[in-house]
Amino acid sequence: RKEVEQDPGPFNVPEGATVAFNCTYSNSASQSFFWYRQDCRKEPKLLMSVYSSGNEDGRFTAQLNRASQYISLLIRDSKLSDSATYLCVVNTGRRALTFGSGTRLQVQP
Amino acid sequence: SAVISQKPSRDICQRGTSLTIQCQVDSQVTMMFWYRQQPGQSLTLIATANQGSEATYESGFVIDKFPISRPNLTFSTLTVSNMSPEDSSIYLCSVQPGGAYGYTFGSGTRLTVV
Repeated sequence: RKEVEQDPGPFNVPEGATVAFNCTYSNSASQSFFWYRQDCRKEPKLLMSVYSSGNEDGRFTAQLNRASQYISLLIRDSKLSDSATYLCVVNTGRRALTFGSGTRLQVQP
Repeated sequence: SAVISQKPSRDICQRGTSLTIQCQVDSQVTMMFWYRQQPGQSLTLIATANQGSEATYESGFVIDKFPISRPNLTFSTLTVSNMSPEDSSIYLCSVQPGGAYGYTFGSGTRLTVV
């Protein structure tokens, strides 16, 4: 079983739609959680950290369920510029990050 | 957050040769991480580079194939040795300058082995 699992997609949604991505992790000792965004041929960039209480940054909302070992990302009012691969990332305490395989989002005009 | 300068950005190399990738950070960091991203795949950790000690390699990666140097707290190199086409990939360095979040990545080195 992979340490971090994501639905690879692609998710094809129209502009203005709401889309949700899910992620599960296997190591119950994982300590911190992130969503990264990776554009084609670019390096990953931090989108947001994920906190147990849930957190929101503009159109983006992240949720963490430690009991179920489940992380989610909700994007409201999708923009064309949101088209990218979204990586679920977990820090198990070894200081390096473990990446999911990514979920590809394509927002259509 | 830290700014990382990674070079070269891309290279095309002959099989059997070696390529050294450099990462320079604009601040001192304890650990630097080297990742590989194969075509269509996510990132896989190669090794963790600490200043003043041997790098720690992940399962499936060995020092003879991927020697790493970490001469100071702002610089590291990864060498891909005796390359084969299977080594064609993007190689990225990463640091965590501080705090519980904010890992930063270099812009990556796109390597093609022919």
